[in-house]
Amino acid sequence: SQKIEQNSEALNIQEGKTATLTCNYTNYSPAYLQWYRQDPGRGPVFLLLIRENEKEKRKERLKVTFDTTLKQSLFHITASQPADSATYLCALNTGFQKLVFGTGTRLLVSP
Amino acid sequence: GAVVSQHPSRVICKSGTSVKIECRSLDFQATTMFWYRQFPKQSLMLMATSNEGSKATYEQGVEKDKFLINHASLTLSTLTVTSAHPEDSSFYICSAITGTQGYEQYFGPGTRLTVT
Repeated sequence: SQKIEQNSEALNIQEGKTATLTCNYTNYSPAYLQWYRQDPGRGPVFLLLIRENEKEKRKERLKVTFDTTLKQSLFHITASQPADSATYLCALNTGFQKLVFGTGTRLLVSP
Repeated sequence: GAVVSQHPSRVICKSGTSVKIECRSLDFQATTMFWYRQFPKQSLMLMATSNEGSKATYEQGVEKDKFLINHASLTLSTLTVTSAHPEDSSFYICSAITGTQGYEQYFGPGTRLTVT
């Protein structure tokens, strides 16, 4: 069966450290993978998109890697801040611009 | 840019009534919009894909006669939950693609539906 797995347990880190979130998938061959941020009671906000032929993508303090052999993406936030506390969702395209979302990982950054 | 709004943000209705949720792209034209449902502590589940001027495409298991979608213009899609029941209580979120900026989706703020 097709699955997208993200760590369901919350990730707690200290301010200033690097947060690393994992997204693993099975039985998909996505042409691209996306990461979104979702705050409680709000819609997701797009962060980064990485294509299957790209190994790494960066945007300010964010970095995404995409390993199609391992079927895994890692999402890094460097110099984390309490304002980065949120749930982070990975999403895979399944054709025709449709996305399938993982369940998300909650990140808590303590001052 | 790429702002999507939803209205209402919260709605409470009685079982058996219908509720309409609007999704608008404010600063771009959206040829394609998506409707999702999210239950507490769960992921977003795609309900349907809405294309302007044509019938919506529903995901497996989503009743098209219960969740009516109308994409009448390039900036507006509506979702009507007909004959709502308590199990339809959920967080409904729409998203849109600009068609010019790639494949990322821009989401509305969501609508919390409670059916009593």
